[in-house]
Amino acid sequence: AQKVTQAQTEISVVEKEDVTLDCVYETRDTTYYLFWYKQPPSGELVFLIRRNSFDEQNEISGRYSWNFQKSTSSFNFTITASQVVDSAVYFCALSEAGLTGGGNKLTFGTGTQLKVEL
Amino acid sequence: EPEVTQTPSHQVTQMGQEVILRCVPISNHLYFYWYRQILGQKVEFLVSFYNNEISEKSEIFDDQFSVERPDGSNFTLKIRSTKLEDSAMYFCASSSRGRDTEAFFGQGTRLTVV
Repeated sequence: AQKVTQAQTEISVVEKEDVTLDCVYETRDTTYYLFWYKQPPSGELVFLIRRNSFDEQNEISGRYSWNFQKSTSSFNFTITASQVVDSAVYFCALSEAGLTGGGNKLTFGTGTQLKVEL
Repeated sequence: EPEVTQTPSHQVTQMGQEVILRCVPISNHLYFYWYRQILGQKVEFLVSFYNNEISEKSEIFDDQFSVERPDGSNFTLKIRSTKLEDSAMYFCASSSRGRDTEAFFGQGTRLTVV
């Protein structure tokens, strides 16, 4: 069965610090998809990134970067020069390839609460 | 930018009552989902819906739950006889394809069963 572990329950940083959110996953599939979602205090879930299991290239988007390492089953998320607006709960999620025609059943981690203070 | 919309944003209901949560997915999406998040906990998959039928459901999605796409735009989740433990945030989501695409979530409906 698939599983996502976010061992960091809560992280507090001061604005402009860099912060890395850890995500470790378990799956028996050779094809799978990894995601990060942000949940700000307003409650909605905001899609940040999707990564396919066959593409280990790291990605950078502005202040955000993602480090995918199949060897350690990790998909870590780094925010550079954090800002107060980054304060949110961040969820890592996994979807297995599964059956043809199947929808995108996401298994979420428990989330990491990030607090960025002035 | 297209988005998933959910109504109502907050619903309070008495235990044993039926509730219907409504969602309008992104218009050209083909897959629809319901997830729930009990306060302070992780987001859990309930059901996926494709081609007018359930494609997958979790063990949470028992006979008390049902989903429907009554017309070309709405997607609903019905809980027949609510229990206190059904209190949670319910998220609707949609995706253009299956497992290799991202799901976009609505803002959620907070259901409180009293």
